[in-house]
Order: sequence, then C-alpha cells, then structure tokens
Amino acid sequence: EVQLVESGGGLVQPGGSLRLSCAASGFTFSTYEMNWVRQAPGKRLEWVSYMSSSGSNKHYADSVKGRFTISRDNAKNSLYLQMNSLRVEDTAVYYCARGGAVAASNWFDPWGQGTLVTVSS
Amino acid sequence: DIQMTQSPSSVSASVGDRVTITCRASQGISTWLAWYQQKPGKAPNLLIYAASSLQSGVPSRFSGSGSGTDFTLTISSLQPEDFATYYCRQAYTFPLDFGGGTKVEIK
Repeated sequence: EVQLVESGGGLVQPGGSLRLSCAASGFTFSTYEMNWVRQAPGKRLEWVSYMSSSGSNKHYADSVKGRFTISRDNAKNSLYLQMNSLRVEDTAVYYCARGGAVAASNWFDPWGQGTLVTVSS
Repeated sequence: DIQMTQSPSSVSASVGDRVTITCRASQGISTWLAWYQQKPGKAPNLLIYAASSLQSGVPSRFSGSGSGTDFTLTISSLQPEDFATYYCRQAYTFPLDFGGGTKVEIK
C-alpha cells in the first residue's frame, strides 16, 4: 500500500524554526517527484514546494521563498521541509503529496494525513 | 502566476441531484488541470487528472471536462458520501495554485 506519513509539526514562536518529515512507503520513492501543500484553518489549499525525483530541481511558493527549504533522502525514503523565520501566517496543516514518476504527471496522489504547525507567541 | 477561480463557492443539493462545478484559469493551461475532494479533517483525494481522466478507484458518477481556461467537474447523481469540498488545481506551471474551493452541502 502506498503511504505517506508526515511528522514534525508543533507549536513554535514567531521567528522560530521547524523541520517537517514525510516518510514514504509502498512505492519506489526515488523515482517520484514530491510536493508540500498546506492549508490554514478554514482556508484553501496552498501549494508550498516541489522537488524532482533526483532532488536537482526545486520550486517554492513566493510566500515561503527564502525561508523554507525542501530536501529529500532517497536512501531513507523521506522528504523534508525545513521552515525558518516562521510567521503567524504559516500556521497550517502541512501535507506531503506524491507527484509523478515521469515528467508532466505531477498530479498529487496520494497525500499524507498532514501535520499541524502552529506559529504563535 | 495563473489564478484559478472556482464557482460557485458553495452549493446546496439533494441526493440524486446533478451537480456542476466550474473552474476558470486566468490564462490557458491546455488540459493541465486536476480536481480533488476533501472531507472535513481529512487530506484531499485526487478525483480527476488531465482535465477529464478519472483516477483509479473513483466512482464513474464523477467526470471532468474542458481545456484552455474553462473546466467543469460534474457529479451525475449526488450520493451521501459526496458532500465535501472540491478543489481544482492547475498543473501547467509553477506555482501550482489551487482554486478557492466549492463546498457541496446537503439541501
């Protein structure tokens, strides 16, 4: 069974840092693109970041560029999101979502269950 | 950036009704569009990709159409388990933005 499990969320003060992890199983992780998506309470889904299967290509939403860093460890079947200089508006449930195994198939399926990040003083 | 606009933002419908949700892109995206269903407290679930391709395991009452800037998601006969929020998302270029969502509620 294909599965994604996020961890690392929690309560952090504004200006603080947090590192999210996404553990993948049930598929050949190293061949798939991966993404982070977030959803603030009661708000729409917001794509956050993308990484290619090899890790050589990355993209970020403008709202997190320069503060968040996506990475992956294909040997550990894991995706990461390092979040620095956190703001109150970064409060959200963060999901990892699988992209495609071939170019131009980044459809986000499946998704993990999400991990809640709360930025508050 | 490509803006994705969904309408309506909410719809009240009864079991058995036909429901249509529209999604408009601010510029042409060919058929690079996906539709997702999200139930409260749960992660989204992919329904339709490439504008009209039904994801494996998704009931055939769901269908998608459109290309360029205008797209639709249709539920042919609404079932109790279909009451949820639906999102479109463009996959044409970064940033991979979502629409604002359409909440399908019980009438």
